[in-house]
Amino acid sequence: DAGVIQSPRHEVTEMGQEVTLRCKPISGHDYLFWYRQTMMRGLELLIYFNNNVPIDDSGMPEDRFSAKMPNASFSTLKIQPSEPRDSAVYFCASRKTGEEKLFFGSGTQLSVL
Amino acid sequence: GDSVTQMEGPVTLSEEAFLTINCTYTATGYPSLFWYVQYPGEGLQLLLKATKADDKGSNKGFEATYRKETTSFHLEKGSVQVSDSAVYFCALSDQGAGGFKTIFGAGTRLFVKA
Repeated sequence: DAGVIQSPRHEVTEMGQEVTLRCKPISGHDYLFWYRQTMMRGLELLIYFNNNVPIDDSGMPEDRFSAKMPNASFSTLKIQPSEPRDSAVYFCASRKTGEEKLFFGSGTQLSVL
Repeated sequence: GDSVTQMEGPVTLSEEAFLTINCTYTATGYPSLFWYVQYPGEGLQLLLKATKADDKGSNKGFEATYRKETTSFHLEKGSVQVSDSAVYFCALSDQGAGGFKTIFGAGTRLFVKA
């Protein structure tokens, strides 16, 4: 299995632009998580899905952030408009029902100038 | 709500030194506890876990024991190597309305010098 696949690996954009991060979970995994990692706040859970349905989005910082999971093999995290304080590494992770181990992608390094 | 607190880094050690990274947790239920490791430029990987009180998780020479009385899960290794340089995250997984949710500590960066 290829593991959790995220794209792009790096994204540099200007303040005010729309940013879309993508994630393909491991086949057969029915939970998908989006995390944000910064030096100041560590690893924060933004939102997670079960069977493509958002379960808990209480970690999403504000309305500029949105996430979708249109099918079992694809999820997006969108920031519109982006701001410099959104600069971070964004990780996607997945797991199966009944198992607690998370499998992480390699992350997207986002820089908003 | 649930939370995880771990010692701030960075921790700098010489090769073959003893390692301890402290971790304490707060949880309303009976969580499982984990240590994940992140090597440069990569995502997190599970290092070890323990699912109930007094369980000891171990892997690659690392150990941690689930201490319910002190709500702790400290990571230890008897003799570190340069290749152990990474960021270590303590985490808990607790059952909620929507299934298991994993909460991470802030991470502790470890540097091991040759």
